[in-house]
Amino acid sequence: DSGVTQTPKHLITATGQRVTLRCSPRSGDLSVYWYQQSLDQGLQFLIQYYNGEERAKGNILERFSAQQFPDLHSELNLSSLELGDSALYFCASSSTAGTSGEREQFFGPGTRLTVL
Amino acid sequence: AQSVAQPEDQVNVAEGNPLTVKCTYSVSGNPYLFWYVQYPNRGLQFLLKYITGDNLVKGSYGFEAEFNKSQTSFHLKKPSALVSDSALYFCAVRSNTGFQKLVFGTGTRLLVSP
Repeated sequence: DSGVTQTPKHLITATGQRVTLRCSPRSGDLSVYWYQQSLDQGLQFLIQYYNGEERAKGNILERFSAQQFPDLHSELNLSSLELGDSALYFCASSSTAGTSGEREQFFGPGTRLTVL
Repeated sequence: AQSVAQPEDQVNVAEGNPLTVKCTYSVSGNPYLFWYVQYPNRGLQFLLKYITGDNLVKGSYGFEAEFNKSQTSFHLKKPSALVSDSALYFCAVRSNTGFQKLVFGTGTRLLVSP
């Protein structure tokens, strides 16, 4: 158990809908990262927050957004969903901001999103 | 730009035999290198990392990896494979300069047969 929790485990929704994925980092970790894992794209970095502030953006679509709250949990919002958004979405946390990138990231169990 | 190559989609090995999962990388500056393992329907688990120092890094579950700067490689090894090692293995790299995102390889499926 990594100490990172994600809810829900599974999500099935229809095209055009909006969903919110939730992540709680390990105790004491200030950085939260979101990743998308799909068969065709592999594991793609989406976005990072550090202590409530957006720190880095990766391959995140404009239809997607995220935030990190004062209690350090994070939410990833996916809107106007398309079939191609079906994937596993992982949250990871680490104790550093990313500029000292030697710290490993700890991954949650993921949320499997199915868009029908 | 950073990149990671895992040239083998799948590695098959018999239980008790040594295993190697290959990884090569490209990065500006010096690399931070990581190996993660993913079991079915689970998140990625950290195995080991190379930051600096000794080129041979030891990690969890008896795994080790050797950093080779001239060959830009970071192959994962284990002297004696177990059936329970069967999983998907990911190599990842980031540069040590400024903020650089962690870039993952495409993964190598390891199958250990009894």
